[in-house]
Amino acid sequence: DTAVSQTPKYLVTQMGNDKSIKCEQNLGHDTMYWYKQDSKKFLKIMFSYNNKELIINETVPNRFSPKSPDKAHLNLHINSLELGDSAVYFCASSRTAETQYFGPGTRLLVL
Amino acid sequence: EDQVTQSPEALRLQEGESSSLNCSYTVSGLRGLFWYRQDPGKGPEFLFTLYSAGEEKEKERLKATLTKKESFLHITAPKPEDSATYLCAVQPSGTYKYIFGTGTRLKVLA
Repeated sequence: DTAVSQTPKYLVTQMGNDKSIKCEQNLGHDTMYWYKQDSKKFLKIMFSYNNKELIINETVPNRFSPKSPDKAHLNLHINSLELGDSAVYFCASSRTAETQYFGPGTRLLVL
Repeated sequence: EDQVTQSPEALRLQEGESSSLNCSYTVSGLRGLFWYRQDPGKGPEFLFTLYSAGEEKEKERLKATLTKKESFLHITAPKPEDSATYLCAVQPSGTYKYIFGTGTRLKVLA
């Protein structure tokens, strides 16, 4: 059983397009996160939801919009994609303020 | 400003050659320190959580320790399958944020 899953695994798209990445966790956690990992492997937090409430909103372009329909799901929608958005996006989940568990990542390439 | 620095950036070891990875942190207060292993093309995999200075955790060939300013991940008699990037993260007190270091890329040669 996959604890934290993401779809799609790979996403190749043109500049200017809009795309979404989906994340689901079956661990019963109440907090979910989106991270961006750049080419140097640095993981930077973007957003976090706790019980469907946004609790972390880092300095991220407002072209990025997270949505949490319920505690088990956290989606990331990106408008007007730019070249610099190319990266690996990881979803993670945890019980509040405890150890995070990560998904397999979504590799986004913007052409 | 809260900060996490890992060293070395990269490390090559012969199989069986023990070593340590360092994670230095600067936070106003520490809620927890986390070690992860990341294999190429995969998400970080949880290894250890440490909460207070003096705490130690062990798992197979790995042992994590914590002081007030740094954590060490000791690798005893490593094997080629221990090759990965090891990430350290801290959670400052009073926040939900996790701040990651840039990782140590470990290569163990047979």
